Amino acid sequence: DVKVTQSSRYLVKRTGEKVFLECVQDMDHENMFWYRQDPGLGLRLIYFSYDVKMKEKGDIPEGYSVSREKKERFSLILESASTNQTSMYLCASSLPNFVQAQETQYFGPGTRLLVL
Amino acid sequence: AQTVTQSQPEMSVQEAETVTLSCTYDTSESDYYLFWYKQPPSRQMILVIRQEAYKQQNATENRFSVNFQKAAKSFSLKISDSQLGDAAMYFCAYREIQGAQKLVFGQGTRLTINP
Repeated sequence: DVKVTQSSRYLVKRTGEKVFLECVQDMDHENMFWYRQDPGLGLRLIYFSYDVKMKEKGDIPEGYSVSREKKERFSLILESASTNQTSMYLCASSLPNFVQAQETQYFGPGTRLLVL
Repeated sequence: AQTVTQSQPEMSVQEAETVTLSCTYDTSESDYYLFWYKQPPSRQMILVIRQEAYKQQNATENRFSVNFQKAAKSFSLKISDSQLGDAAMYFCAYREIQGAQKLVFGQGTRLTINP
């Protein structure tokens, strides 16, 4: 069974803190994604990665960075958390384009982050 | 840029009845994927059904089926014989065939099942 896990389900941080959100997948997927989910806006892509040490900006990368040192792990970093980064963060993974039936993304349970 | 629109923020249906969730999208591409994802209250997003744009036949997965109208750029989800476990947020999503593999999501529709 496909499994994507995220380090925390709930997180409370103070403004200005550095925040790390961790995502791990056990499916040997090349592609990994970070989305944020806000009511009325759906999910929006923050960053994605096609391979180890590779990263691409998504639609809303400002205020975030990512790290992918190992294939199975993709970290989202908030360098200096702000209240407008209070949101639900979802990680996902998928197979690369050249693999059949690769188009499905598998999601983690999400991390609800509150920045005070 | 591609956009996906779900115009129904909330829907409700009686148990065992049929409900249709609407989705429209905008793209200049001729080939792409479309998806419906379900997010139950526990928050784990799971795939419900997917459609390849080059296939004319509408996708079906048990009680879930889609009405894909390519010319109209419409992709609705029909849930037959609604069950209490169908209660969730439903997201419509678009993905290009090649290039960036990101999903573009709609705003979501919250579906309530009335017993």
